[in-house]
Amino acid sequence: QVQLVESGGGVVQPGGSLRLSCAASGFSLSAFGMHWLRQAPGKGLEWVAAISNDGNYKSYADSVKGRVTVSRDNSKNTLHLQVDSLRGEDTAIYYCAKDTSSWLRFFFDSWGQGILVTVSS
Amino acid sequence: EILMTQSPATLSVSPGERATLSCRASQNINDNLAWYQQKPGQAPRLLIFGAFNRAPDIPARFSGSGSGTDFTLTITSLQSEDFAVYYCQQYHTWPPVTFGQGTRLDIK
Repeated sequence: QVQLVESGGGVVQPGGSLRLSCAASGFSLSAFGMHWLRQAPGKGLEWVAAISNDGNYKSYADSVKGRVTVSRDNSKNTLHLQVDSLRGEDTAIYYCAKDTSSWLRFFFDSWGQGILVTVSS
Repeated sequence: EILMTQSPATLSVSPGERATLSCRASQNINDNLAWYQQKPGQAPRLLIFGAFNRAPDIPARFSGSGSGTDFTLTITSLQSEDFAVYYCQQYHTWPPVTFGQGTRLDIK
């Protein structure tokens, strides 16, 4: 079955950087668009970034634009999210999620378990 | 950006009863609406897409309805495992897609 496993989270100082990874298995990663979403402690869901199946289209939420880069390596079944210039408001559980389409339909039929990123000095 | 508003914020229902959750979009989104269930410490799970289509393996007691700006998630004959937070999400206009703030379904 589909499995998505995030890694790379932790505690980072404000202004620091982090690279999150998502290992995909149980499906052909190259056939689907992928996303990153996040959830601040006790809060709702926020979409962060999207990437098409071939990596040629990328899109970002305004709240992270210019500080975040999404990428993928289909040969290694891995999705990445590089987050720079981290701020306190970036503290959240970050989820990778699978789109339902090779292009992007922007709803999410499988999610990873999430990885916590804490921005604190 | 399309604003999604869910009501009520918290809903208390007895097991075996019916729960009705509402979601309103700030503009017409046709049927481009999904519902997710999230239990404590878990990732969200897709329940409904296209406003009324159940995702694979979702029990028939979950049903979605609505179109345009007003949507409903109905859960009949509530089971203990259904008590969770429910989010609606529009994917009509992106980026960004937007979520409602969630409805917490509590045991009465």
